[in-house]
Amino acid sequence: SSELTQDPAVSVALGQTVRITCQGDSLRSYYASWYQQKPGQAPVLVIYGKNNRPSGIPDRFSGSSSGNTASLTITGAQAEDEADYYCNSRDSSGNHLGVFGGGTKLTVL
Amino acid sequence: EVQLVESGGGLVKPGGSLRLSCAASGFTFSSYSMNWVRQAPGKGLEWVSSISSSSSYIYYADSVKGRFTISRDNAKNSLYLQMNSLRAEDTAVYYCAREVRWDAFDIWGQGTMVTVSS
Repeated sequence: SSELTQDPAVSVALGQTVRITCQGDSLRSYYASWYQQKPGQAPVLVIYGKNNRPSGIPDRFSGSSSGNTASLTITGAQAEDEADYYCNSRDSSGNHLGVFGGGTKLTVL
Repeated sequence: EVQLVESGGGLVKPGGSLRLSCAASGFTFSSYSMNWVRQAPGKGLEWVSSISSSSSYIYYADSVKGRFTISRDNAKNSLYLQMNSLRAEDTAVYYCAREVRWDAFDIWGQGTMVTVSS
């Protein structure tokens, strides 16, 4: 079982805003990073740290955090945003182990 | 171009061994911690192991501890994962990933498939 909990599936209408959440005790101490994965492809980092986007990631992607919950927000979702999204952080044991959320399948309607 | 290329995957029988490699290029490999992440068919991502830039700090997921060994050769810009006592549940695509600030993985390889089956 994952120490980071994500909703299995979320849908959004084209051009609308969607928030994908990730819950876990470790998020009170560590930032979450977010990855987009399309079928047959390697994951791509979209958000890390407090709210940082790697070069080439559109500014419609943003991140936030409150308490034990981290969120990835896509403002004005596009068809190409349809993908699986995973959060990642350290686990809550303090042993510097990594952990991923179970993933959220985003459907753009 | 910053790139990671995995190799060494294949079909192996339960109880067997396999050594994965990850060749890095386009960046100063010796300055970064590196990680292995796997993904079983149709499943989510699972963190496997990490190694610091100078190999001083090494961590493993409980699911592989005692069976897998991560290592690196900074002179060869290469990362390795020695996998012993393989089980069916180790079947997955194995990715190597570069770790940057705030524990994020900013560069990923294309993955190499490991199938454990009799």
